[in-house]
Amino acid sequence: SAVISQKPSRDICQRGTSLTIQCQVDSQVTMMFWYRQQPGQSLTLIATANQGSEATYESGFVIDKFPISRPNLTFSTLTVSNMSPEDSSIYLCSVNRGGEKLFFGSGTQLSVL
Amino acid sequence: GQQVMQIPQYQHVQEGEDFTTYCNSSTTLSNIQWYKQRPGGHPVFLIQLVKSGEVKKQKRLTFQFGEAKKNSSLHITATQTTDVGTYFCAGRSNSGYALNFGKGTSLLVTP
Repeated sequence: SAVISQKPSRDICQRGTSLTIQCQVDSQVTMMFWYRQQPGQSLTLIATANQGSEATYESGFVIDKFPISRPNLTFSTLTVSNMSPEDSSIYLCSVNRGGEKLFFGSGTQLSVL
Repeated sequence: GQQVMQIPQYQHVQEGEDFTTYCNSSTTLSNIQWYKQRPGGHPVFLIQLVKSGEVKKQKRLTFQFGEAKKNSSLHITATQTTDVGTYFCAGRSNSGYALNFGKGTSLLVTP
């Protein structure tokens, strides 16, 4: 298993502001994944964060809106920029461990007013 | 792109009844994984199926991977209230590395 610490666990933000979510893993991993789970919906991959290179974004997600940092092999941040109510969601970081299985952080529940 | 569809969206059963959720992909999958998310929690890995026609069991849970590697099912025998949650399938295509999740089936079990 993997121990993944994610913070903040929840936040309420004003429209137009930005929030940075942090994810800390208990051991080194090559890739870290950021997912979004909108209310009552499934998980959608935002981007894959690799150490030492730019993140790889999925269709529909752009770096200006969701900048990602990956300064080392145990840590990553996701910023949700210029927020609008449509960004209200749960954001989850995850890592591969033991093959291809994903382990998830506890998530950040974001509400944008 | 690859899509993973899952039905039903919701299922409400009495404790002791069986439950099945089905997952279908538009493309052939290299493997399929199943996750469970309890209310207010994060997804937790249950199992991975890799081989065509593979069947795996975990106590009351039976997982199947179709012969064509495009569909899968999760069957729970004699549900218990602890089975409550949303069950997601997730597939990875042969050409991709991203894991695509189905929309999930939310199971409610009443005693």
